[in-house]
Amino acid sequence: KNEVEQSPQNLTAQEGEFITINCSYSVGISALHWLQQHPGGGIVSLFMLSSGKKKHGRLIATINIQEKHSSLHITASHPRDSAVYICAVPIIQGAQKLVFGQGTRLTINP
Amino acid sequence: SAVISQKPSRDICQRGTSLTIQCQVDSQVTMMFWYRQQPGQSLTLIATANQGSEATYESGFVIDKFPISRPNLTFSTLTVSNLSPEDSSIYLCSATRNSRLGELFFGEGSRLTVL
Repeated sequence: KNEVEQSPQNLTAQEGEFITINCSYSVGISALHWLQQHPGGGIVSLFMLSSGKKKHGRLIATINIQEKHSSLHITASHPRDSAVYICAVPIIQGAQKLVFGQGTRLTINP
Repeated sequence: SAVISQKPSRDICQRGTSLTIQCQVDSQVTMMFWYRQQPGQSLTLIATANQGSEATYESGFVIDKFPISRPNLTFSTLTVSNLSPEDSSIYLCSATRNSRLGELFFGEGSRLTVL
């Protein structure tokens, strides 16, 4: 069983739809990262969160430490949101070495 | 935030040769890492690049195959040696200013194809 599991693996939606990507992990952590990988391979850090909820523009990330689960939401989705979204957790609590989920490939059609 | 410049962005290499990837950060960072992303897979940590000393390699990765340098706080190189088609991957460097959990910055990735 993977230590970090994401669902769905692939998601196709129409522009404007509300998107939810889920991440469950089996290791004890102090925080979790959400990353966005563009088709060329570059990665951008979207969120680092240890509790509750964070919002940045149309992106919202939530985490439930007790249930070991996090979600990434995109409101009013747009074709430019098409990318692979990856959650990552530290291998060791408080450390920078990460274990990555398999990623969710999101495609937003106009 | 920090900006990481990584090059080359892509390369096609012959079997048996080597490729060196450079990673330059625009501000001082405490930790730098090198990752490999094989086709259709997620990222796997190769090593932590330590300033002025030998890199710390993860299980399954060895210095002879993946020599790493980090001469100062803002620059690191990863060499992939004795290339084989199985080395075809995206290689990414990342950095953080915090030795514990802090914001991560990633380079744009280097897409390597070995013929």
